[in-house]
Amino acid sequence: DQQVKQNSPSLSVQEGRISILNCDYTNSMFDYFLWYKKYPAEGPTFLISISSIKDKNEDGRFTVFLNKSAKHLSLHIVPSQPGDSAVYFCAAISHSNYQLIWGAGTKLIIKP
Amino acid sequence: DSGVTQTPKHLITATGQRVTLRCSPRSGDLSVYWYQQSLDQGLQFLIQYYNGEERAKGNILERFSAQQFPDLHSELNLSSLELGDSALYFCASSVGLGDTGELFFGEGSRLTVL
Repeated sequence: DQQVKQNSPSLSVQEGRISILNCDYTNSMFDYFLWYKKYPAEGPTFLISISSIKDKNEDGRFTVFLNKSAKHLSLHIVPSQPGDSAVYFCAAISHSNYQLIWGAGTKLIIKP
Repeated sequence: DSGVTQTPKHLITATGQRVTLRCSPRSGDLSVYWYQQSLDQGLQFLIQYYNGEERAKGNILERFSAQQFPDLHSELNLSSLELGDSALYFCASSVGLGDTGELFFGEGSRLTVL
């Protein structure tokens, strides 16, 4: 049972344009949603998070939007830069058990 | 640098063998997590320890075991290794129980089973 789904295995975006990565979830008990970024041969690094009581959180070029009614969140990167090329994982956590549930990841490729 | 240290970085061994992966969490972090990533697949949660006690268990095989020591470092033991165990094994740590979901990952240990 995939509680967190990233349906796009990969995404290619022109440098300078907006990158939009999507994530869907099924468990309405999730309290926090997070995005992690992972470069090859490195561990994931935390990027940005959002509480379930909010619908938007912004940090520099990165903005996460949460649509609870649709059980959908997205990560916007504006403008996209070559260094943004990485795998992005969506994750969610419920305070009922503190278990972090991960999506399968989306590989973002920024074209020069 | 996340502050999480994993050793060894690379390990090559044969089927049927046993290996131990080591992790030192960030200073002050009480929770340690182990994850497996096989061939560009997603992260599979294996197990979590909190202050020396097992906190949560994921898809960890019976051939695998882990522990967290009083100094909070952790070891993941993989035995009777099979070809399919070849993967990147990540350790992560967090302050407390990780209720915000923010984990700090090490660089991983790449295990190759021949």
